[in-house]
Amino acid sequence: DAMVIQNPRYQVTQFGKPVTLSCSQTLNHNVMYWYQQKSSQAPKLLFHYYDKDFNNEADTPDNFQSRRPNTSFCFLDIRSPGLGDAAMYLCATSRFKGTQETQYFGPGTRLLVL
Amino acid sequence: AQKVTQAQTEISVVEKEDVTLDCVYETRDTTYYLFWYKQPPSGELVFLIRRNSFDEQNEISGRYSWNFQKSTSSFNFTITASQVVDSAVYFCALNAGGTSYGKLTFGQGTILTVHP
Repeated sequence: DAMVIQNPRYQVTQFGKPVTLSCSQTLNHNVMYWYQQKSSQAPKLLFHYYDKDFNNEADTPDNFQSRRPNTSFCFLDIRSPGLGDAAMYLCATSRFKGTQETQYFGPGTRLLVL
Repeated sequence: AQKVTQAQTEISVVEKEDVTLDCVYETRDTTYYLFWYKQPPSGELVFLIRRNSFDEQNEISGRYSWNFQKSTSSFNFTITASQVVDSAVYFCALNAGGTSYGKLTFGQGTILTVHP
């Protein structure tokens, strides 16, 4: 089955220690998104890639970076995690960028910062 | 600006009851799409339905049905004969044009608990 895969499902890191979350997709979609979801809140878009074109949301902290080495993979790098970065991180994909496009989500990575 | 409001923070029902989750949206765009997602305790957001602004037909899929009314800017979701497996957080979302082209605006979510 075509899908969005996120690894690991749970990640524990230490305050200030860089961490990388990964996402891969077998849907061959052009757009990949990263969302942050804190407890009892809606997902918040951090950034997205349309092919190799990177689009950062205005309020995404500089501490968050992303890489997309190829169509299938996308990484979220948190350079110096703080306690406030503990959250669920969701990766999503869509065929194209546009109002009509459905976004398909992965299972998420739950990040704990000690 | 786009906005989605899900006024019901939490709903609790007993199995086999019908339940309706409300969603009200705001946008100045004439072309937009509305979505419902289900988020079970495992965390994955599961796509349920997409509806465009030009199609006001109601839709039924098994026990799920959706009522889209442009006149009241609402896109409500009804689960008939609820089951314990329906327990989840449900998000309504809007994707509109203009400066928000391609960006989903989510409501705050409704936590549905179905008791046996």
